[in-house]
Order: sequence, then C-alpha cells, then structure tokens
Amino acid sequence: EAGVVQSPRYKIIEKKQPVAFWCNPISGHNTLYWYLQNLGQGPELLIRYENEEAVDDSQLPKDRFSAERLKGVDSTLKIQPAELGDSAVYLCASSLGLSRNEQFFGPGTRLTVL
Amino acid sequence: AQSVAQPEDQVNVAEGNPLTVKCTYSVSGNPYLFWYVQYPNRGLQFLLKYITGDNLVKGSYGFEAEFNKSQTSFHLKKPSALVSDSALYFCAVRERNNAGNMLTFGGGTRLMVKP
Repeated sequence: EAGVVQSPRYKIIEKKQPVAFWCNPISGHNTLYWYLQNLGQGPELLIRYENEEAVDDSQLPKDRFSAERLKGVDSTLKIQPAELGDSAVYLCASSLGLSRNEQFFGPGTRLTVL
Repeated sequence: AQSVAQPEDQVNVAEGNPLTVKCTYSVSGNPYLFWYVQYPNRGLQFLLKYITGDNLVKGSYGFEAEFNKSQTSFHLKKPSALVSDSALYFCAVRERNNAGNMLTFGGGTRLMVKP
C-alpha cells in the first residue's frame, strides 16, 4: 500500500514569491492534515480536512496561506507571498478520521525562503 | 488546552542498554496518546498508541510505552537499544471525547545510541 505522497521534496524560492505544495493521502483516508514543522520542533497543525471540508483551519495564517481539497482526495497548500519566516518543513498526513486512529505522514516538503 | 512535555532534548544510551524517553501530558479529559519517530529527511512514522485498556502498550521495533494516569505520563521504553534506533522521537496527545480536537505534539527528544 502506497503511503502519503508529497511533492516537491525540496523547494527554494526568494521572498515574496508564491509556492505550492501537493499531497496525495493514503487511499480511503478521509481526513487530511497539513502541518508545519520548524527545525528541532514538533509538528504544528495548520489545517485539517474531513473529505473536502476544512473543519479546523484556526492555525492557518489566512493572509498568505491557502489550501484546498476540491475532490476530497488530493490537497494543495499555497503560500503567497512567501516570507523568510516561512522556511520550514511542511508535512501532510492522513487518517481514517476517528480521533483514536493514528495519522500517517508523508516525507514533507522542505521550503527555504531566501 | 492540551499540551505535551518532553523534558529531555536528547537522550544518550549505549547499544544494548535499556532506553527511556519521557513524556508527560495535560488534557482536560481522557487522552489518546501516541509516539512517533522521525528519521533524517523523513516524515513521522507511527510507533504505538494508547487508546484504552492495558496501560502497557507494545509497538513497532520492540518499543513499548506505559500509560500512567496519576502521573500523566506516557514514557517510551525499549529493553535493549540499537544504533539504528537513533532518531527524533515525538509524543502526542489528543483528548478522547473531543472529535474536533487536534493532535498536539511535544517538542521532540533526540535519541542517540552509541555502539
């Protein structure tokens, strides 16, 4: 069974440029998460989807970050414009939805903003 | 609010010795507790979880963790460490009866197993 797929794995951009990350969750997983992980820290939730609905986006900086999961499967996370402080690893995870179930993480996209 | 504390930034242990990575949590209700491991340039990998029942939970790669409600702890243990266990370990908590609540991670503990 394929795991959570993310692309690109690495991205280097200049500040003020836009950037987008893509995630394909494990087949059948209705819940999808985007996390931000700073170096040496634990992941912090940005947004959670139940199917195509964003049910928790309270931690998403909406002035520059946006996300979508149009068909309830793949998801994209966008930053426009990027700032130096956005440099981090962006992790996507998926689960079967019940809070007791573990989340499965993708390898992440390491973003460097110059 | 819920929170997780991993009091040690790094744990050093010799190969073959037992290891413990500490985790304490705070939730207003009953918890679901998880341990994840992260290898360099990789995503987090699930190790084990406590949902209910037996306080001693066994997981992948010989790891186990003990849920202690009175001490609000969920320490990760392994009887005999391997060099390949060297990685970053994260404890996470979620309140059981709040389906909308997010998973909160600790800051991580780096485990270094020396030959």
